[in-house]
Amino acid sequence: SAVISQKPSRDICQRGTSLTIQCQVDSQVTMMFWYRQQPGQSLTLIATANQGSEATYESGFVIDKFPISRPNLTFSTLTVSNMSPEDSSIYLCSARGSTDTQYFGPGTRLTVL
Amino acid sequence: GDSVTQMEGPVTLSEEAFLTINCTYTATGYPSLFWYVQYPGEGLQLLLKATKADDKGSNKGFEATYRKETTSFHLEKGSVQVSDSAVYFCALHPPHGNKLVFGAGTILRVKS
Repeated sequence: SAVISQKPSRDICQRGTSLTIQCQVDSQVTMMFWYRQQPGQSLTLIATANQGSEATYESGFVIDKFPISRPNLTFSTLTVSNMSPEDSSIYLCSARGSTDTQYFGPGTRLTVL
Repeated sequence: GDSVTQMEGPVTLSEEAFLTINCTYTATGYPSLFWYVQYPGEGLQLLLKATKADDKGSNKGFEATYRKETTSFHLEKGSVQVSDSAVYFCALHPPHGNKLVFGAGTILRVKS
C-alpha cells in the first residue's frame, strides 16, 4: 500500500489568489491523480499527473486554471489559480503503483471567500 | 461507458443492525471492484477489493462478493457500530483503462 500526505490540510483564501497543494507518496508509484470533491458529492477526476511531462486533463478542466507538476515518482503539486468561491472544495491526491489499487491522501479543504 | 450505481442514502440504522449497501456496475470485460470509506473530515480509505468473479473482499467486518452474473458488488456488515458512520463509495477499475469510476456515494448513519 501507499501512504499519501497532503499539504496544506485546509486553507481559506481570497478570490483572485492562487493556492498550491503538495502531495507526497511514501513510495515510488506509477500514476498520480488529482480529484475534486464538492460538498456532498462524489469525486471528479481533474487530471492525471505525468512524471516529467504535462498532465492529462479531463473534460472541463484546463491547465491554466489547474496547473500540475510531477517532478518525480513520489511528489506532485496542484495549483488552483485565480480562485473564485466556486472553487471551494476538497482536493484529493491519489496514487497507484503496480497493481490496480488506488490510494488517496487525506484531502485539502479549500474555502474561497 | 463504464458506470457504477449505488443505492441512495442516507441509510440510517441502529447499532448492531445488519447493513447492506447495494452497488451495481456496467463495464466492458472484467473490472476490479472496490469499496472505499470516507469518515467525516477525512480522505478516502480503501475498505476492500475484489479482482475477479466470485472473489470476496473483506475487512473490519465488512464484506462484498464480486457477482458477475448480476454485475453487483454489494457491501454487507453483520452488526454495525456508531463508528461505521461514514460515506461509502463503490468503484471499479476497468481492465483496459487507467481511471477509477466512482459511484455517487452512500451516507451511512448509525444511531446508538
